Amino acid sequence: QAVVTQEPSLTVSPGGTVTLTCGSSTGAVTSGHYPYWFQQKPGQAPRTLIYDTKYKHSWTPARFSGSLLGGKAALTLSGAQPEDEAEYYCLLSYSGDRPVFGGGTKMTVL
Amino acid sequence: DVQLVESGGGLVKPGGSLRLSCAASGFTFSYAWMSWVRQAPGTGLEWVGRIKSKADYGTADYAAPVKGRFTISRDDSKNTLYLQMDSLKIEDTAVYFCTRIYSGSQYGMDVWGQGTTVTVSS
Repeated sequence: QAVVTQEPSLTVSPGGTVTLTCGSSTGAVTSGHYPYWFQQKPGQAPRTLIYDTKYKHSWTPARFSGSLLGGKAALTLSGAQPEDEAEYYCLLSYSGDRPVFGGGTKMTVL
Repeated sequence: DVQLVESGGGLVKPGGSLRLSCAASGFTFSYAWMSWVRQAPGTGLEWVGRIKSKADYGTADYAAPVKGRFTISRDDSKNTLYLQMDSLKIEDTAVYFCTRIYSGSQYGMDVWGQGTTVTVSS
């Protein structure tokens, strides 16, 4: 099974911009991995932010965006707010195999 | 509103069984592919398994750690998803989330339940 890697932790200043990445042990992440991004706050269920690399749900704040960057999936937060402090997980799908979550990135807004 | 509500969690001894339920509302459950995701204490998310709609043959597939011990099923007449967990191990201790798979996706989720806690301990 593939291993999906994320930064363990990142810090962003209020109003600042930060990019989280999601890599795969099998090689470059492509749109064919259909990257998803989830936000989870302490004591809450995860919430889906981004699907299929870059698409947002109706509830996704506009300041979040998804992309592919340097062979990885990326989640960019532009104009961080205190309420964005959370754990962020990515999910990659592998053709003919089971999907795999990344280990999560704890993002601090400070 | 689209809603998923899990129930059935609790304390069980190693080797025991437990069945989780997930009541769905606010959408046409019979059309949806559904999945279970778990989160052990203080750790990240782990995909457990998926079940397709009956129109897509209702087949289920599982993560390696639970294959052969867990069974996902659905009752479309009750809008309910189930996770039958047998031969439970200590490492199955986790919060179990029911999720709806986003339409057109193979595995990606769009809606999550609040989770139900399973503790396997002697």
